Amino acid sequence: GDSVTQTEGQVALSEEDFLTIHCNYSASGYPALFWYVQYPGEGPQFLFRASRDKEKGSSRGFEATYNKETTSFHLQKASVQESDSAVYYCALGANYGNEKITFGAGTKLTIKP
Amino acid sequence: EAAVTQSPRSKVAVTGGKVTLSCHQTNNHDYMYWYRQDTGHGLRLIHYSYVADSTEKGDIPDGYKASRPSQENFSLILELASLSQTAVYFCASRWGGGNTLYFGAGTRLSVL
Repeated sequence: GDSVTQTEGQVALSEEDFLTIHCNYSASGYPALFWYVQYPGEGPQFLFRASRDKEKGSSRGFEATYNKETTSFHLQKASVQESDSAVYYCALGANYGNEKITFGAGTKLTIKP
Repeated sequence: EAAVTQSPRSKVAVTGGKVTLSCHQTNNHDYMYWYRQDTGHGLRLIHYSYVADSTEKGDIPDGYKASRPSQENFSLILELASLSQTAVYFCASRWGGGNTLYFGAGTRLSVL
């Protein structure tokens, strides 16, 4: 079945550091890929998506590029802020048909002021 | 903005008891989902539904039932709650033509 692997369980950075959270997927065809963010006490919320190879998704300074060759969708941000502290989830879903949307284990990002 | 409301927000249940978690959405979405969240496992799909009066098994359905009596409402039922079902449960919905999920705020369930 489809699966999503997030390498880092926790990431700790200082403000203005460069962020990379790794996401790799296993699925047939061309799934849609997503990043969601979850703040304490809230449900996850959609950050952005990409639907085809080499497409870049972005929002709030975060970005990721769909790479079918390496089956990856790594999240990056050039300069993190304390307010970016949250849990980030990579997810995949079929562009058409299959109703399931599969999430990775999540990465807890902590930004020190 | 999609509105997904879960109730209760937290619950303490006894082992072997019956628990019902409720979810209500007001955006006329076709699909509704129940996920559980555990540290180290992320969000795992329990049940989902794409139309009223029909439910489908997700990846971890054992020990759970689901009910979709109307397009707006989707319940998760634990007939015999167990310690291993202590977790945070999230309901989500989406429009049939898109993949973006809209989540509720979650229900924290503790089974003692």
